[in-house]
Amino acid sequence: KQEVTQIPAALSVPEGENLVLNCSFTDSAIYNLQWFRQDPGKGLTSLLLIQSSQREQTSGRLNASLDKSSGRSTLYIAASQPGDSATYLCAVRDNYGQNFVFGPGTRLSALP
Amino acid sequence: EAGVAQSPRYKIIEKRQSVAFWCNPISGHATLYWYQQILGQGPKLLIQFQNNGVVDDSQLPKDRFSAERLKGVDSTLKIQPAKLEDSAVYLCASSGSGRARRYNEQFFGPGTRLTVL
Repeated sequence: KQEVTQIPAALSVPEGENLVLNCSFTDSAIYNLQWFRQDPGKGLTSLLLIQSSQREQTSGRLNASLDKSSGRSTLYIAASQPGDSATYLCAVRDNYGQNFVFGPGTRLSALP
Repeated sequence: EAGVAQSPRYKIIEKRQSVAFWCNPISGHATLYWYQQILGQGPKLLIQFQNNGVVDDSQLPKDRFSAERLKGVDSTLKIQPAKLEDSAVYLCASSGSGRARRYNEQFFGPGTRLTVL
């Protein structure tokens, strides 16, 4: 059974700093991995999706990498801004089923 | 393009009462998901539909939860009777179908926050 963990659970960084969020999964037979952002009281907003055959995806200040063999993905956020404050979740879709398994999220506070 | 719509946004009920949530996915999306998100945790899949057929409902508490997707478009999720531990946000998501990358991305609605007293 796939299990997804995210470390750290919470993170505070001053504005302008670069930061890395980590996502680990136990079963490397994945179809793809998706990073989401969730603001308090809101639904999830898709940030990046990486197919299993890809190493990384980039969108603006965001870069997500995938290392299937080690069961890890990282989300890199460049030059953090107060508007980046949110909870960031990763979700893994495995090759056996169709559904996503979510991590618990990392709560980011980007301080002005 | 309109996003995933959900209603109501908030619902407060007493235990043992019934409640229903509604979801309208993005137009043309064949796959629809219902998730339960307990405070401080990631979403947990309850049920997944492909068109109007169930693909996965292995984590749906079938003694009290039911869901349907008539005509392969809108979907409703029902809880009857509700328990205190059902207090959570219920999220609906949809995605397209096919192997192309653009079909794999999930898009979420704003969720329904349920409080069971």
